[in-house]
Amino acid sequence: GENVEQHPSTLSVQEGDSAVIKCTYSDSASNYFPWYKQELGKRPQLIIDIRSNVGEKKDQRIAVTLNKTAKHFSLHITETQPEDSAVYFCAASHIIQGAQKLVFGQGTRLTINP
Amino acid sequence: DAGVIQSPRHEVTEMGQEVTLRCKPISGHDYLFWYRQTMMRGLELLIYFNNNVPIDDSGMPEDRFSAKMPNASFSTLKIQPSEPRDSAVYFCASRPPGNLEQYFGPGTRLTVT
Repeated sequence: GENVEQHPSTLSVQEGDSAVIKCTYSDSASNYFPWYKQELGKRPQLIIDIRSNVGEKKDQRIAVTLNKTAKHFSLHITETQPEDSAVYFCAASHIIQGAQKLVFGQGTRLTINP
Repeated sequence: DAGVIQSPRHEVTEMGQEVTLRCKPISGHDYLFWYRQTMMRGLELLIYFNNNVPIDDSGMPEDRFSAKMPNASFSTLKIQPSEPRDSAVYFCASRPPGNLEQYFGPGTRLTVT
């Protein structure tokens, strides 16, 4: 089955700097890669996702890159703000006729220092 | 829309007792997922349904766990008998047709003593 490794487990950056979180996956058939943000005591929420037919996707300060050959994908947050502090989870899934079985990484606790 | 609704939000029970967690997905969503979150194991998919039919229950840890979806607006996750290692936050999520984004509920924090 799929296995997703996520690094680092904790990350601390100064406000305004960039943050990068990396994930690797094992199943070459995986074709969908979402990123979820979970604030303390709250539910996970999707912030961005990418399909395997594209290499990069951006949404304002957030971007995700995918390297299918190397089986890794990354989350980039630029101009970080205090409200970006949270735990971020990457996930991978092989979508077949809509069926979706997400396998999550262990999470990265991001702290933005003012 | 109220979003995914889960009840109870907190549950404390003694080892050996039966526990039932409830979920109401967002109206119109055709997929429903049950997850468990712990510090040690992270976020794990337990089971998911499509149009009320269980599709994959390979993540259900043991026979003590069972899930049902009797209709499009209600699902339950039952643990019988419960054990201390079942202590975790259990999330329900739903997904609309034609969209891959999963919408999570607020979770149920289960403590088994």
